[in-house]
Amino acid sequence: TQLLEQSPQFLSIQEGENLTVYCNSSSVFSSLQWYRQEPGEGPVLLVTVVTGGEVKKLKRLTFQFGDARKDSSLHITAAQPGDTGLYLCAGMPGGSNYKLTFGKGTLLTVNP
Amino acid sequence: EAGVAQSPRYKIIEKRQSVAFWCNPISGHATLYWYQQILGQGPKLLIQFQNNGVVDDSQLPKDRFSAERLKGVDSTLKIQPAKLEDSAVYLCASSLQLLPNIQETQYFGPGTRLLVL
Repeated sequence: TQLLEQSPQFLSIQEGENLTVYCNSSSVFSSLQWYRQEPGEGPVLLVTVVTGGEVKKLKRLTFQFGDARKDSSLHITAAQPGDTGLYLCAGMPGGSNYKLTFGKGTLLTVNP
Repeated sequence: EAGVAQSPRYKIIEKRQSVAFWCNPISGHATLYWYQQILGQGPKLLIQFQNNGVVDDSQLPKDRFSAERLKGVDSTLKIQPAKLEDSAVYLCASSLQLLPNIQETQYFGPGTRLLVL
């Protein structure tokens, strides 16, 4: 079983601050996805990264896939209350295994 | 375009009772997934259908859980009998492609929150 460890588990910051959350594994993934889940809703896909070292930007969010494709980070610049939610990373091993493995998530609270 | 629909949104039952959840995926999506999300954890895949065939049910507790996808569209997930540890959010997701790929997008429904007392 390929495990994804996310850190920190909880994060509470003030509006306007920057933050980084991490997703780490000892296993290699062919692709890694980041989702945001708001209370009472299902996860919503933010980004998919597939190439080692890849960096993708989505407005104030920057996603990076590690060179060895074992880890990833999500950086948020100038966080806003609307960024509040559970951030989940999910990896797909590839090959013959297309099952998504999710981490436990980072619960982010941005206070106004 | 309508998203993935699930019902009911909430369900409270007593242990040993049975319960069923319903999912209507996005129109035209070939693949449907059921996930279990226990509080404080990420979703865990229970079963995956491609059209109306089961692709992966390796993590489905088959002694008490069953699922079907008749006609390759709607799906139901049933628990009988329920245990306390089944308390969780049950998420349904769908994806467009029939053949898996590493960049596929899964679209999740809002989930059914189950509490077993």
